[in-house]
Amino acid sequence: EDKVVQSPLSLVVHEGDTVTLNCSYEVTNFRSLLWYKQEKKAPTFLFMLTSSGIEKKSGRLSSILDKKELFSILNITATQTGDSAIYLCAGPYGGSQGNLIFGKGTKLSVKP
Amino acid sequence: NAGVTQTPKFRVLKTGQSMTLLCAQDMNHEYMYWYRQDPGMGLRLIHYSVGEGTTAKGEVPDGYNVSRLKKQNFLLGLESAAPSQTSVYFCASRRLAELYEQYFGPGTRLTVT
Repeated sequence: EDKVVQSPLSLVVHEGDTVTLNCSYEVTNFRSLLWYKQEKKAPTFLFMLTSSGIEKKSGRLSSILDKKELFSILNITATQTGDSAIYLCAGPYGGSQGNLIFGKGTKLSVKP
Repeated sequence: NAGVTQTPKFRVLKTGQSMTLLCAQDMNHEYMYWYRQDPGMGLRLIHYSVGEGTTAKGEVPDGYNVSRLKKQNFLLGLESAAPSQTSVYFCASRRLAELYEQYFGPGTRLTVT
């Protein structure tokens, strides 16, 4: 059964801290892994990692994929209160329909 | 462009009542999805559609029906609401060419008493 497991489930840090969020996945026929950020409403796309693109960076956020060990991490440096959100990790399953299976998410709270 | 929109934003139902949630997208996306999100459970796929006139079951389809009569709209129906269907419902869509990146609507918070 395909599965995506995130840890920790919640995290509280102070502004300026660096955080690392973890995602382990067990999906048949690995194709890619995605990270989303969910603030108050809709999840928004952050990164997609594939076999040919195992590291992505955007500003203070970066993510790497270890395809052999089947996990990914999302790093956020110099955190700000605006980084407070639920971070979701997802992997495709179900053949070629592009359906995603999501982890339960990590709730990050950044305190001033 | 409005992107993905959902109607209504909030709704309270009594057990046994029915309702329809509407999802609309103006990006000409082929694929559309309905998810539910419960505390501590992440997003779970209810039903999806790969094109106008076609629908398929996802991970948790029981108690829901869907229709996609027009490419831009995807409707989620609850025929007889139950308290277990209290949740936040998200619609998403994607282009055929972008295999996995999905665009989400703002969600509908449904409470069934």
